[in-house]
Amino acid sequence: DAGVTQSPTHLIKTRGQHVTLRCSPISGHKSVSWYQQVLGQGPQFIFQYYEKEERGRGNFPDRFSARQFPNYSSELNVNALLLGDSALYLCASSIGQYNEQFFGPGTRLTVL
Amino acid sequence: GDSVTQMEGPVTLSEEAFLTINCTYTATGYPSLFWYVQYPGEGLQLLLKATKADDKGSNKGFEATYRKETTSFHLEKGSVQVSDSAVYFCALSGAYNFNKFYFGSGTKLNVKP
Repeated sequence: DAGVTQSPTHLIKTRGQHVTLRCSPISGHKSVSWYQQVLGQGPQFIFQYYEKEERGRGNFPDRFSARQFPNYSSELNVNALLLGDSALYLCASSIGQYNEQFFGPGTRLTVL
Repeated sequence: GDSVTQMEGPVTLSEEAFLTINCTYTATGYPSLFWYVQYPGEGLQLLLKATKADDKGSNKGFEATYRKETTSFHLEKGSVQVSDSAVYFCALSGAYNFNKFYFGSGTKLNVKP
């Protein structure tokens, strides 16, 4: 069975640009969570979506937004990119809102 | 708020040595506790978990016991292998925010042959 997949693998943007990251959960999983992992630190929770609704939000500015589609895939959008947004963005899926999370390999975003 | 603190690395050990990575937490109520492992170039993998006080999680020779009295969840392995080289993250999901995971900063383990 396929695990959580994320695209693209790597991305380079410049300050002020916008970026969209994509995540496909494990088949049958209805919840997707997004995390930001800055180099040398642990992942920080950004959002959780369950059944296409936002169910949790971390301490991130409004430049960060996300959505979940009817097929349970998800997009994370970041506007007006800053240098500090450079990080590994991880997506995790789970069967339900409170179940064990399975992580994808991440998207490495570099902002120049 | 909820948080996790784990020992800084890197930790360098010889093969077959005993491993301990310390993890303490701050949380309201009774959170669930986890250890994740991240191998180079890969995503996070759940290593083990414990959902209530005094529970012991175990997997692949690794163990951790949920100690409410010391708010700790230390990771141990009796005999490490080179293949255990990775970054280990302690994490919790809050008692009242089950859907949010709080991660420690990670501890890099290097095992030398």
